[in-house]
Amino acid sequence: GAGVSQSPSNKVTEKGKDVELRCDPISGHTALYWYRQSLGQGLEFLIYFQGNSAPDKSGLPSDRFSAERTGGSVSTLTIQRTQQEDSAVYLCASSRSILLAGDTDTQYFGPGTRLTVL
Amino acid sequence: TQLLEQSPQFLSIQEGENLTVYCNSSSVFSSLQWYRQEPGEGPVLLVTVVTGGEVKKLKRLTFQFGDARKDSSLHITAAQPGDTGLYLCAGVRGLYGQNFVFGPGTRLSVLP
Repeated sequence: GAGVSQSPSNKVTEKGKDVELRCDPISGHTALYWYRQSLGQGLEFLIYFQGNSAPDKSGLPSDRFSAERTGGSVSTLTIQRTQQEDSAVYLCASSRSILLAGDTDTQYFGPGTRLTVL
Repeated sequence: TQLLEQSPQFLSIQEGENLTVYCNSSSVFSSLQWYRQEPGEGPVLLVTVVTGGEVKKLKRLTFQFGDARKDSSLHITAAQPGDTGLYLCAGVRGLYGQNFVFGPGTRLSVLP
């Protein structure tokens, strides 16, 4: 079956421009997660959705970052006025339902969008 | 400061050798996961360990969760080139997303 897809796979932009990153989760998955992976760093959690709701936005690095999810499916991560430090791979993941500590179910990751800010 | 530390950062070995990578923290986790990530792809879950002292085996891979649930190890027996990748540990202290942290990873290269 289809996995998590993300678009674009690569995005090069100029400092100060806005970018939108898209995530299509696995059909039927109610939970969706966004992460950022920088070179030499682990994955940094950004935000998660349960349905269309994002209960905790504290992981977003600054107010230039926002995310939304519509119809319990597609999600977009928007970065306004991009800065060079925003350059990273942005990963999206989904799971059947929101995962709890000790849950042996898994989140399925997409291939990521590599963002380069010049 | 990394909440989860992984060592070694890089490891290059010959096919057939054994290896162990470590994941350490000063924090207690409810559960801990290991993932493998290949270039251009997202991480893929290998295992979740929940109970302190727990040992899980997945073919040639053996995972152990420390008694105090602060650390974990991954041991690979007779490594193969297909084991090459970035191995990430992730600790969970509550609801996913709110208290879910990844280590920086160990990059393993197995040479034929």
